[in-house]
Amino acid sequence: DVKVTQSSRYLVKRTGEKVFLECVQDMDHENMFWYRQDPGLGLRLIYFSYDVKMKEKGDIPEGYSVSREKKERFSLILESASTNQTSMYLCASRPPRGIYNEQFFGPGTRLTVL
Amino acid sequence: EDQVTQSPEALRLQEGESSSLNCSYTVSGLRGLFWYRQDPGKGPEFLFTLYSAGEEKEKERLKATLTKKESFLHITAPKPEDSATYLCAVMTTDSWGKLQFGAGTQVVVTP
Repeated sequence: DVKVTQSSRYLVKRTGEKVFLECVQDMDHENMFWYRQDPGLGLRLIYFSYDVKMKEKGDIPEGYSVSREKKERFSLILESASTNQTSMYLCASRPPRGIYNEQFFGPGTRLTVL
Repeated sequence: EDQVTQSPEALRLQEGESSSLNCSYTVSGLRGLFWYRQDPGKGPEFLFTLYSAGEEKEKERLKATLTKKESFLHITAPKPEDSATYLCAVMTTDSWGKLQFGAGTQVVVTP
């Protein structure tokens, strides 16, 4: 079974702090994604990565950056956390074979910025 | 601009009361439409992928159908364990692996 894990289920940070969210997948997937999920807005894509050291902006990249130094790990960085970044953050990975393959999601990190 | 709209926002059903969820989409070109189930506090879990109009897929009490403008997720004789938020997402011809999600339909099934 595909397993996508995220470093924290719940996280509380203060405004201005630098925040790291880690995601690890164990199935050698090349594609990885970071979303945020807010009530009434659904999942919105922040950044994605097609392969190691490659990254592409999604629909809402402002205030975020990412790092992918190893294939299995994709990190989301909030350079200076703000209260409007309070949200559920979801990581996903996707196998490369077949362009229609579904994404597999981690359990999510609920981040609160005070 | 590509859009995915799900309705209703919330649905309350009695156990055994069948119903349908709607996902309407406006996209430049559709590669696939995906249905996910999400339980509270968890990540979405994949259910189905539909690729072309007229296609249908089934899994237990769930059946997904696709037309050129919308998809339906039919829940037949639901049980309380079918309570969840159901998400649809589209992959377009110019998005190569990226998904655009609707806001979801929250389903509650009471005994």
